[in-house]
Formats: sequence, structure tokens, C-alpha cells
Amino acid sequence: GAGVSQSPSNKVTEKGKDVELRCDPISGHTALYWYRQSLGQGLEFLIYFQGNSAPDKSGLPSDRFSAERTGGSVSTLTIQRTQQEDSAVYLCASSQRQGGGYTFGSGTRLTVV
Amino acid sequence: AQSVAQPEDQVNVAEGNPLTVKCTYSVSGNPYLFWYVQYPNRGLQFLLKYITGDNLVKGSYGFEAEFNKSQTSFHLKKPSALVSDSALYFCAVRDRMNYGGATNKLIFGTGTLLAVQP
Repeated sequence: GAGVSQSPSNKVTEKGKDVELRCDPISGHTALYWYRQSLGQGLEFLIYFQGNSAPDKSGLPSDRFSAERTGGSVSTLTIQRTQQEDSAVYLCASSQRQGGGYTFGSGTRLTVV
Repeated sequence: AQSVAQPEDQVNVAEGNPLTVKCTYSVSGNPYLFWYVQYPNRGLQFLLKYITGDNLVKGSYGFEAEFNKSQTSFHLKKPSALVSDSALYFCAVRDRMNYGGATNKLIFGTGTLLAVQP
């Protein structure tokens, strides 16, 4: 596609529910990143996929968070048993090659009530 | 580990005046440095990057950044600010640590809100 597409754009969920956030990167981009942006916190790295390499999961805050990338394209970030502190904007980005400039999606605003 | 610091939460400048948004870095080896901008309710957009070469890097929308190795800084500058430049600006450095898999993700600073008054 023309840009990085994220869905849904907004999600309100009840505490304890599971949520899935989707990222559709730019076609041909081999690298895909997930970041979390909380109010006043800047961008927090979550996870990074590069081609067929094992993903860098070093930023996932707890075992409630997981992500997968199917067929080297679409990625899903799953948060299990959501907590209020999970409320944030979740941003996805892709790049054409390892270390290349990122193109960001518009993000998914998650609100846990 | 690589890191960047943005010491100012907010920078205020009058339209037409020069602006500077500060960034300092801490890296092992040669730094790969980036600036991104986030307009309200929109995703981040790439402005410019320094990999090697000239210390003064020119980017989008008239912005430039100066790489200063002795001061470990990469400040963002523009000679004449516009009201439309008001946004959140992020400095970033490439993390070259290997966590057993993919490497080279970007580590972002906490962001600086630029407010340009008419």
C-alpha cells in the first residue's frame, strides 16, 4: 500500500479483556517495528521484526504482550488481560531495509477502562 | 546501550525567529542519528538523518541539524520558524545492540514540543 496502515484507529476495552492491534506495512518493507507512546513518555520500543530473523522482543513490557508477523507482511500485536496502564497510542512503522528510515502508521489509540 | 536525551520538554519561539531543538546522544561507536516530527493526531514523519559525512545535515521543511562529535549533540535548527512548525519533535539513535535476533532498531528521546507563536 501507499503507507503503513493500522487498525483499529481507536479501541476502548474493559480491563481484563484481550485486544489485537493490526499493522499492514508498506509492501516490500522487510523491517517492521512496534512502539508505544504514552502521555509524556515519548516512544517506547516494543518489538522489531526483520525478514526471517528472530524478532527483537527486548522491549515487550510483560508476558501479556506478544506479536507475530505472518508471511513477512502483516503484523498483529496482542495484549492479554489488559490493564489500565496499557492505555497508550500503539505505533507501527516499517522500513525498506535494516536500519533504513521508518515510515510510521497513524497509530491505534487504546483506552482500557 | 545507545540513548538520546532531549533536555527541553517544550520550546517556545516567535514566528520568523530562528529555532533550536536540542538533542544529545550516548553511543558506542559511530552514531546514526535521526529527527522525526509528529503533528497533532498524526503519525511520526521523518525529517533528516546523520550517518556520515558533512556535520550539517539538511532535511524536510527547511530543517537542518548539526552533528557535533565533541559535544555529543545533534541539535535541530531552522533559520525562520513558521506557526505550522508547531509539533512534537523526536530525536532518535540507532541501537546497534544484538539481542540475539534482529538489530538496528531506533531508540527515541522523550520528545520536545515546539510552539511557534504568531
